[in-house]
Amino acid sequence: NAGVTQTPKFRILKIGQSMTLQCTQDMNHNYMYWYRQDPGMGLKLIYYSVGAGITDKGEVPNGYNVSRSTTEDFPLRLELAAPSQTSVYFCASLMPSGNTIYFGEGSWLTVV
Amino acid sequence: QKEVEQDPGPLSVPEGAIVSLNCTYSNSAFQYFMWYRQYSRKGPELLMYTYSSGNKEDGRFTAQVDKSSKYISLFIRDSQPSDSATYLCAMRGGGADGLTFGKGTHLIIQP
Repeated sequence: NAGVTQTPKFRILKIGQSMTLQCTQDMNHNYMYWYRQDPGMGLKLIYYSVGAGITDKGEVPNGYNVSRSTTEDFPLRLELAAPSQTSVYFCASLMPSGNTIYFGEGSWLTVV
Repeated sequence: QKEVEQDPGPLSVPEGAIVSLNCTYSNSAFQYFMWYRQYSRKGPELLMYTYSSGNKEDGRFTAQVDKSSKYISLFIRDSQPSDSATYLCAMRGGGADGLTFGKGTHLIIQP
């Protein structure tokens, strides 16, 4: 039972590089979310999606893009990496009829 | 005022003590209240979930929600060293709303 799977687990990027964090869920959840967590801080919502083809901004969307071509996948794109994007990124999903948000294991990103 | 306030700690207690963790919030639209436990370098793990006001008990853990005071609590009885972790309170409205988190309280249970 895989749940929410994120890759890569760790990545070091140089300033200005681009990369995509992958997120896949096998629970057929419509709602998916990307959060970032900075040291000593709670999680902040970057983007979310209520279904394939529909995405919307969260609290801290600047510097990121997302797409949702299938129910299962919700990749997060960093176009021009900046040191301020050094953080831990968590993907999560939720069924519309449910109340439990399931989290992936996280992706540790360092921008140098 | 931030939407969700949580004392970051650290909170250090001896093994066997009762632990009380709390959060206050300002958004009256929140209906679903959760506590997540997060170990170092791991994702948040759902510990307790409560809808609206009331109490919920699960083993050594009790969650309380007082919507009139906008105050939620998590109690841990007979605390164990394995309970040492960061505890995040989180809450949401309904529909597709994501979770709004507190900063997390770092809890240390001393053997």
